[in-house]
Amino acid sequence: NAGVTQTPKFQVLKTGQSMTLQCAQDMNHEYMSWYRQDPGMGLRLIHYSVGAGITDQGEVPNGYNVSRSTTEDFPLRLLSAAPSQTSVYFCASSTLKTLGQGNIQYFGAGTRLSVL
Amino acid sequence: KQEVTQIPAALSVPEGENLVLNCSFTDSAIYNLQWFRQDPGKGLTSLLLIQSSQREQTSGRLNASLDKSSGRSTLYIAASQPGDSATYLCAVNPYDYKLSFGAGTTVTVRA
Repeated sequence: NAGVTQTPKFQVLKTGQSMTLQCAQDMNHEYMSWYRQDPGMGLRLIHYSVGAGITDQGEVPNGYNVSRSTTEDFPLRLLSAAPSQTSVYFCASSTLKTLGQGNIQYFGAGTRLSVL
Repeated sequence: KQEVTQIPAALSVPEGENLVLNCSFTDSAIYNLQWFRQDPGKGLTSLLLIQSSQREQTSGRLNASLDKSSGRSTLYIAASQPGDSATYLCAVNPYDYKLSFGAGTTVTVRA
């Protein structure tokens, strides 16, 4: 039972480079989301999706793109990396129909990204 | 905008002592509140989830209370053990799926 899988675990980029952070879940969850975690701050929502083909912005969406072509995958794209995007990125998933009624979210192990 | 605050930011206790972790939020219009544990370099693991209609939830040595009207939740960990050392985060879930997290309380339990 893999749960939520994120790749890569670590990544170093140069300013201006682009890359995609991968997230996959095998629980048939409708809801998926991306967060970033910075020292001294709580997790902040970047983008989320309530199903294939449906995405929306969170609190800090600038500089990031997402798409959801399948239920299982929710990649996060950095278009032109900046040092301010140095952070730890987490992907999470849950069922949708019970999310508001108390369903838990499952998190991946995270991707540590450094932008030089 | 929902603001979630966790005090204290860090806590160190001897083994066996009870832990009390606090979480406060500014907007009481929430669907539920969730407590997570995060170990260094790891992802988040859900500990307890309290629905807005509930006052508390219990799981083993863990008990979480919710006072929605005052915007507060408390996580109690009884008889702490060194294995309880971790960062504990609370997150409030409004009606639009956009969870808001506190910055966490880092707990150290000394043997």
